[in-house]
Amino acid sequence: AQSVAQPEDQVNVAEGNPLTVKCTYSVSGNPYLFWYVQYPNRGLQFLLKYITGDNLVKGSYGFEAEFNKSQTSFHLKKPSALVSDSALYFCAVRETATASGTYKYIFGTGTRLKVLA
Amino acid sequence: EPEVTQTPSHQVTQMGQEVILRCVPISNHLYFYWYRQILGQKVEFLVSFYNNEISEKSEIFDDQFSVERPDGSNFTLKIRSTKLEDSAMYFCASSLGTGDRTDTQYFGPGTRLTVL
Repeated sequence: AQSVAQPEDQVNVAEGNPLTVKCTYSVSGNPYLFWYVQYPNRGLQFLLKYITGDNLVKGSYGFEAEFNKSQTSFHLKKPSALVSDSALYFCAVRETATASGTYKYIFGTGTRLKVLA
Repeated sequence: EPEVTQTPSHQVTQMGQEVILRCVPISNHLYFYWYRQILGQKVEFLVSFYNNEISEKSEIFDDQFSVERPDGSNFTLKIRSTKLEDSAMYFCASSLGTGDRTDTQYFGPGTRLTVL
């Protein structure tokens, strides 16, 4: 079975500094990896995904993620953090599709990012 | 930009009561999903739905749960007899249903269910 791990419950970073939110994965076969962000009282918003191709994936709001096959990691990064980036971030891996084509995500436990002014 | 919407945003119910959580997926999407997030825990898959049938369900999705697409726009999750442990945030999601690896799920804002 596929799984992802987010080793940090919380990450604190000063505004303007680069940020990294870590995710490692364990899959059989090719990994399809996603990052979602959850703001207070909001749903999960899609940020970016890795399906195949370039190891550096660019997403919404200036975020990017680096896929590293040898380290089985998919860390989320941003060159310069904003206070408004403060939220809960979830890494997810897509499970094998069913016969009808639907699939489920397996989510990590989430990392709370706090950007300090 | 099209969004998944969910109603109500917060539902409070007594243990043993039936609740129906409502979702309006993005209009041209074909795959529909429910997930839940117990407070402080990870988001967990409940069920996927396609072509008016359950496609896959988790062990959480027991006989107390059911899903339905009663018309062309709504997608509902019913809990027949709620338990205290059903208290959670319930997320609806939908995806285009391209059938390939590029397909991406888009989530609604969630319904917070509180069972007293």
